[in-house]
Amino acid sequence: GESVGLHLPTLSVQEGDNSIINCAYSNSASDYFIWYKQESGKGPQFIIDIRSNMDKRQGQRVTVLLNKTVKHLSLQIAATQPGDSAVYFCAGGSSNTGKLIFGQGTTLQVKP
Amino acid sequence: DAMVIQNPRYQVTQFGKPVTLSCSQTLNHNVMYWYQQKSSQAPKLLFHYYDKDFNNEADTPDNFQSRRPNTSFCFLDIRSPGLGDAAMYLCATSRDGWHEQYFGPGTRLTVT
Repeated sequence: GESVGLHLPTLSVQEGDNSIINCAYSNSASDYFIWYKQESGKGPQFIIDIRSNMDKRQGQRVTVLLNKTVKHLSLQIAATQPGDSAVYFCAGGSSNTGKLIFGQGTTLQVKP
Repeated sequence: DAMVIQNPRYQVTQFGKPVTLSCSQTLNHNVMYWYQQKSSQAPKLLFHYYDKDFNNEADTPDNFQSRRPNTSFCFLDIRSPGLGDAAMYLCATSRDGWHEQYFGPGTRLTVT
């Protein structure tokens, strides 16, 4: 069946350190992946996406890596800031269905 | 700014009393989605519209209905809310179903 999951429910990092949030997926039909950030009481906010024909994509302070061989993707946040504290979701998408399957979130806690 | 708007942000209804949540978008996107998100869980897709075509998820209860009278608006109707329907309801849009989804701020529904 389809599933997208994260390895750790909570990640605690020191301000200024780099953060790595991991996600595994099982559905080979997913042809794009998205990372969302959700702060308390708000809707998910798009961070970065990656197509299945890529293995790396960089944004501002964020990098997403995709390893299709082991069906794993990760979100790296450089120089983590207190404002990065939130729940992070990975989601796998299919251009055939137009739907996203969300994994369970990882809560990122940034210690000052 | 173009955006996804949800009203109201907080809704309290009584057990069994019909309630309607609304979503509007200024992005002129073809696809609109409704998700249910319970505390500490990932968003769960209820249904989506690709233009006027309605797509229901197999496990969405019949108690949940939706209407999309035009491109800009989409409504979620809960015909007889139960205590288990208390959740955050998220509306999202996508240009064409295979690009990122943009989420609204959500409506938090309380059932008394």
